[in-house]
Amino acid sequence: AAGVIQSPRHLIKEKRETATLKCYPIPRHDTVYWYQQGPGQDPQFLISFYEKMQSDKGSIPDRFSAQQFSDYHSELNMSSLELGDSALYFCASSLDQGMNTEAFFGQGTRLTVV
Amino acid sequence: GNSVTQMEGPVTLSEEAFLTINCTYTATGYPSLFWYVQYPGEGLQLLLKATKADDKGSNKGFEATYRKETTSFHLEKGSVQVSDSAVYFCALRGRRALTFGSGTRLQVQP
Repeated sequence: AAGVIQSPRHLIKEKRETATLKCYPIPRHDTVYWYQQGPGQDPQFLISFYEKMQSDKGSIPDRFSAQQFSDYHSELNMSSLELGDSALYFCASSLDQGMNTEAFFGQGTRLTVV
Repeated sequence: GNSVTQMEGPVTLSEEAFLTINCTYTATGYPSLFWYVQYPGEGLQLLLKATKADDKGSNKGFEATYRKETTSFHLEKGSVQVSDSAVYFCALRGRRALTFGSGTRLQVQP
């Protein structure tokens, strides 16, 4: 079965550079979530989209932005990167936003800022 | 707001030992509760879930019961295997995205 695809899997950037992370949800899923997981930390919710509109916002820095496109894939844009942005970034998708709906996670993009 | 508290790890057990990982939550309304597992270098995988009080989620020998009176969703397994070594996250879902606990690392020794 198709899963959530994230690219790239690994990314190394220098401070103050920009990065773009991509997420391709499971086919027919209309909701995408972005999470950030620092080393040894629990995943922290950043932002979510439902039907191409932002549906919820968590602890996403102002330097970051995201959007969901017409084909439902999503991109997380990160500017003025800082060392503290080094983390594993997960995307998850679900079919609608219902409380009982299961979210399926991608394998993540590991971002290292040097 | 919503929050999840898990017991701290690492939890180290011998193969075939009984496992309990405690999880309690604070939430408004009636959230759904989940356990996710993360193997080294991999993403989060749903292990089991429960959507209402007294529901029991189960999968791969793991079980957890949604206890509204104690706001708990403890994970149990009767006999752990080396392959169960991973980080386990308790999570709840209210009206917004998932809120995770801090994770509990389980190490099972042969």
